Order: sequence, then C-alpha cells, then structure tokens
Amino acid sequence: GENVEQHPSTLSVQEGDSAVIKCTYSDSASNYFPWYKQELGKGPQLIIDIRSNVGEKKDQRIAVTLNKTAKHFSLHITETQPEDSAVYFCAASRYGGSQGNLIFGKGTKLSVKP
Amino acid sequence: DSGVTQTPKHLITATGQRVTLRCSPRSGDLSVYWYQQSLDQGLQFLIQYYNGEERAKGNILERFSAQQFPDLHSELNLSSLELGDSALYFCASSARTWDRTGELFFGEGSRLTVL
Repeated sequence: GENVEQHPSTLSVQEGDSAVIKCTYSDSASNYFPWYKQELGKGPQLIIDIRSNVGEKKDQRIAVTLNKTAKHFSLHITETQPEDSAVYFCAASRYGGSQGNLIFGKGTKLSVKP
Repeated sequence: DSGVTQTPKHLITATGQRVTLRCSPRSGDLSVYWYQQSLDQGLQFLIQYYNGEERAKGNILERFSAQQFPDLHSELNLSSLELGDSALYFCASSARTWDRTGELFFGEGSRLTVL
C-alpha cells in the first residue's frame, strides 16, 4: 500500500521568511496530492491540492510542486505570517479506482515567530 | 465550521471498556471516513463508508468496528479498550463518489482518553 514520508517534523521560521515542507510517496499509481492545515483544537482543512497532470500550482502565498519521477511533492509558503503557525499534513491517493482513501504523512509543526 | 459534527468531544474511560463515537457528515455527503490521530503516528486511516456500505479499510483493529446508517450518520465502536487507544478520532466526509478522492471535510474530533 501507499506510504507517505514527510519532513521536517518541526519547522520554525521568522515572520516574512519562506517555509518549505517536503513529502515522498511510494505508490507510483498515486495521482492526487492534497495538503491539509490543522490549527490547534480543530480538524485538518484542505489548503491546496495538485493532481499528477500538473507540475506546480499556486494560490496566493502557497504553492505546491510535484515531481512524479522522483515521487516527491513539496509545499512552499512565502511571506509567512504568525497565523500560518499550525500542523501541516501532506497526503497521497489514487484518484479513481477502489483506493479512494487518503494516506497522510505524519505532519509538520510550523511555528512562525513575529 | 466544516459542517461535520462529532460527539462526544471528550471521553474518558477505563481499560476494557467500550465506547461509541458518533459522526454526522455534511449535508448531502455520502462518504464518511474515520481517522485516528496520535502523537507518534499522525493521521491513520481507519475505514471509509459510502452510502451505508464499507468501501475501504485501513489500519483498523479487530476490536474496532464502524457502520453508516440510512440517515448517513456514522458510528465508530471501540471495544476492549487499551491504554494505547488513547487518541483523537476524526470523522471526515466527502461529496465525491466512493471511488474518487476529493476534498475531505473534517470534524473537530473526539478525544478519547483510556485510563
């Protein structure tokens, strides 16, 4: 089955700096890669996703890149703000077929210091 | 507010006991997923239901079971509880059909503490 590795487990940056979180996956059939943000005391919430026919996707200060050959994808947050502090999870799954469930990485705790 | 409701929010019980966690999905969502979140294992997929039928199974223990009812709410039953079952249990729902993954909408979780 799919296995997703996420690094680093913790990340501390100064406000205004960029943050990068990296994930690798094992199942070459995976073609859907979302990122979820979990704030303290809340459930995870989707912030951006990418499908395998796209190499990069941006949404304001957030971008995700995908390298299918190397089986890794990354989340980039620019101009970080204190409200970006949260735990971020990457995930992978097959979009279609009988394996519709997402497999998550173990999470990255991002701290943005004012 | 994701629209997914989970009860109870907190639950404290003893080893060997049985508990039931309840989830009401977003209005109209047919798929319900259960995840276990612990400090060292992150978000672990347990099981998925679609319109009352089990569709995918993850690392769910035999002591755990789930079901989805005709009104689409779901329950996760945890029995013969052990200390290691202490965790945050999330329910999520999705508007997609059972075989297509789309955005998951998570509830706020049920925190289970086994003493």
